[in-house]
Amino acid sequence: DQQVKQNSPSLSVQEGRISILNCDYTNSMFDYFLWYKKYPAEGPTFLISISSIKDKNEDGRFTVFLNKSAKHLSLHIVPSQPGDSAVYFCAASAEGTYKYIFGTGTRLKVLA
Amino acid sequence: NAGVTQTPKFRVLKTGQSMTLLCAQDMNHEYMYWYRQDPGMGLRLIHYSVGEGTTAKGEVPDGYNVSRLKKQNFLLGLESAAPSQTSVYFCASSPQGVEQYFGPGTRLTVT
Repeated sequence: DQQVKQNSPSLSVQEGRISILNCDYTNSMFDYFLWYKKYPAEGPTFLISISSIKDKNEDGRFTVFLNKSAKHLSLHIVPSQPGDSAVYFCAASAEGTYKYIFGTGTRLKVLA
Repeated sequence: NAGVTQTPKFRVLKTGQSMTLLCAQDMNHEYMYWYRQDPGMGLRLIHYSVGEGTTAKGEVPDGYNVSRLKKQNFLLGLESAAPSQTSVYFCASSPQGVEQYFGPGTRLTVT
């Protein structure tokens, strides 16, 4: 059973527009969420995180929103740039477990 | 500062052979992790360690063993490789068990 789901395998966006990547989870014990970005032939790199005590966290062009009642989080990238083209993974963890469950990823393509 | 390094980068094994993947980090991180990534499956946690001398099972530990004898190294062993273990393996480290820093990956093919 997939506890963390990214239902859109791919997304294409025009340069300068907003990219919205979505992630759903089923385990109500999850209380910390992260987004990673991955380029081909490289390891994932950390982007941004959010804890369950917040509903929003911003870092430059990246904003993560958390809706606990819907068990849903989203990553907004504004404005999108061609260099943002990559696979994005969300990951979730329950307090004290120190391990993360990853979603299957969404491939973002930003068109110039 | 090399971050997280993985050795080897590529390997081809025959069914039944054994091998060890080495992960090294120079950031003095307490936590280390081994993941595998398969098409359409995302990253799945194999084993992890919360400190030197400790190990714990993740989501998919069967067929793998690990050791963390030194803080900076985390070894992943395959005792008898199977074609189902064909995958890309990623190691990661973390200072506090939150954000993780990943290595470049090891592509393993078992024939």
